[in-house]
Amino acid sequence: AQSVTQLGSHVSVSEGALVLLRCNYSSSVPPYLFWYVQYPNQGLQLLLKYTSAATLVKGINGFEAEFKKSETSFHLTKPSAHMSDAAEYFCAVSENQGGKLIFGQGTELSVKP
Amino acid sequence: EAGVAQSPRYKIIEKRQSVAFWCNPISGHATLYWYQQILGQGPKLLIQFQNNGVVDDSQLPKDRFSAERLKGVDSTLKIQPAKLEDSAVYLCASSLRTSGGRNEQFFGPGTRLTVL
Repeated sequence: AQSVTQLGSHVSVSEGALVLLRCNYSSSVPPYLFWYVQYPNQGLQLLLKYTSAATLVKGINGFEAEFKKSETSFHLTKPSAHMSDAAEYFCAVSENQGGKLIFGQGTELSVKP
Repeated sequence: EAGVAQSPRYKIIEKRQSVAFWCNPISGHATLYWYQQILGQGPKLLIQFQNNGVVDDSQLPKDRFSAERLKGVDSTLKIQPAKLEDSAVYLCASSLRTSGGRNEQFFGPGTRLTVL
């Protein structure tokens, strides 16, 4: 069965610092991987997705993620954090692009001025 | 284009009462999903519709939860009777199709249910 593990339920960075949110997956088939962001009292918004086209995926708001099959990882990064990046981030996996998403437990990102 | 609409946004009920949530997907989206998000956890799929047919309801507690998507557009999710552990945010999502491209899931704002 597929599963997703996000290391760290809470990450705090200073404004301008590197953001690194970790995600590891387990899947018996080549997966489709996603990162979503959730702002308070809002639904989830897709940041980026990996669909086997390229291992380095660029998303919205300056975020990117690298698919590493050998490490079964799909970590999310952003070179310089902004205050507006403070939110909950979810990594998700799917066996196919249109199937159900299996989410990690989420990482809350705080950005200090 | 208009996003996924959900109502109500908030609902507070007593245990053993019934409650219903409504979702209007993005126009033209064939696939509709209901997810349950318990505080501190990631969303978990409850049921997936393709048009008005059920694709996956393996994690829907069928003794108390039911969902329908009449005419393949709007959908309702019902809980009867509610338990304390049903307190969660119920998210509705839709996608254009389930295979190939343009199948990104778009999420609504959710309905926050509190069971007392």
